[in-house]
Amino acid sequence: DQQVKQNSPSLSVQEGRISILNCDYTNSMFDYFLWYKKYPAEGPTFLISISSIKDKNEDGRFTVFLNKSAKHLSLHIVPSQPGDSAVYFCAASGNTDKLIFGTGTRLQVFP
Amino acid sequence: GAVVSQHPSWVICKSGTSVKIECRSLDFQATTMFWYRQFPKQSLMLMATSNEGSKATYEQGVEKDKFLINHASLTLSTLTVTSAHPEDSSFYICSARGGRGGDEQFFGPGTRLTVL
Repeated sequence: DQQVKQNSPSLSVQEGRISILNCDYTNSMFDYFLWYKKYPAEGPTFLISISSIKDKNEDGRFTVFLNKSAKHLSLHIVPSQPGDSAVYFCAASGNTDKLIFGTGTRLQVFP
Repeated sequence: GAVVSQHPSWVICKSGTSVKIECRSLDFQATTMFWYRQFPKQSLMLMATSNEGSKATYEQGVEKDKFLINHASLTLSTLTVTSAHPEDSSFYICSARGGRGGDEQFFGPGTRLTVL
């Protein structure tokens, strides 16, 4: 039972354009959401998070949007840069300290 | 700050042997550490949660006698894969929470285990 889903396994975007990565969840008890960036053979690095009391959080080129009614969140990267090429995981947590990860989306930013 | 290290970064072992992976929080005291595994092109799956000085809590389907977790101090947790088999080959990642980071988890760089 995949509680956090990233339905797009890969995304290709031109440098300078916007990258939009999507994530859906099924558990209404989740109240905190995070995005991580991961390179091969490395651990994930934290990018940005959002609490369920908000619908938007912005940090530099990264913005996360949360639509609680749709149980959907998205990560916007603008402008996209080649160094953003990596696998992006969304994660969610609820009333426990466990993080439930999505399956990841591989982002490729080409010149 | 909030650096987590893992050792070794990769290990190759023969089937039937045991392998120990260390996870250290270098600049903060980790009240809780988590162990994940990741198969190729799949998500990170939580294996267990450990709090310093107490037994680890394992996720459903994870054999606690096969994956021994010890969290003996606030800066060190170890995962021992006992009697490893080829299907245990995976990327193992730890994370640590505590200190000024509050609820945030900081991840280690991971350990690639290959069992021949």
